[in-house]
Amino acid sequence: GQSLEQPSEVTAVEGAIVQINCTYQTSGFYGLSWYQQHDGGAPTFLSYNALDGLEETGRFSSFLSRSDSYGYLLLQELQMKDSASYFCAVDGGFKTIFGAGTRLFVKA
Amino acid sequence: EAQVTQNPRYLITVTGKKLTVTCSQNMNHEYMSWYRQDPGLGLRQIYYSMNVEVTDKGDVPEGYKVSRKEKRNFPLILESPSPNQTSLYFCASKLKGAYQETQYFGPGTRLLVL
Repeated sequence: GQSLEQPSEVTAVEGAIVQINCTYQTSGFYGLSWYQQHDGGAPTFLSYNALDGLEETGRFSSFLSRSDSYGYLLLQELQMKDSASYFCAVDGGFKTIFGAGTRLFVKA
Repeated sequence: EAQVTQNPRYLITVTGKKLTVTCSQNMNHEYMSWYRQDPGLGLRQIYYSMNVEVTDKGDVPEGYKVSRKEKRNFPLILESPSPNQTSLYFCASKLKGAYQETQYFGPGTRLLVL
């Protein structure tokens, strides 16, 4: 079957660094995306990794290891506004498969 | 402004009464999708479309229909809604390139089927 595993909840303090892991098992793989969703809002795109390695966009970075079927999202200098749910998603070519999401709580 | 729009944003209906949720994007994207989001399950793809007149099933297509007669529009049709279709629905369009893609989501449609 096809599945993505990510932690259900993570808690961190303001100013800290947090890493959200995602492991996947899918029949087709072209890339791994990350999305942020605040309560009551729509998912917003954060990053996409098609090749192994680290992609950095401001305070957010995303990493992919295709050989390990693993990726992570790294959030630095955490702010209260980063409290949200974060989803990894596999690009299977035409189909997209999402993980169940990680709820991030940022404490003052 | 680049955006995906959906209507209605909220809908309460009764079992069996046909409904359509509209979706439109102004980014000239070829690829569009419909997802449903239920607590603890993340987003699950219902249908997707690779271009005009080209659609295919996602992971949870039962009870839904779609059409893609124009590039910008991708309506979701529930011919005979049932209570298990109560959910939050998102339309999305995607820009795909070599080693890159960006998916944009609409604001969501919250559907309650009684």
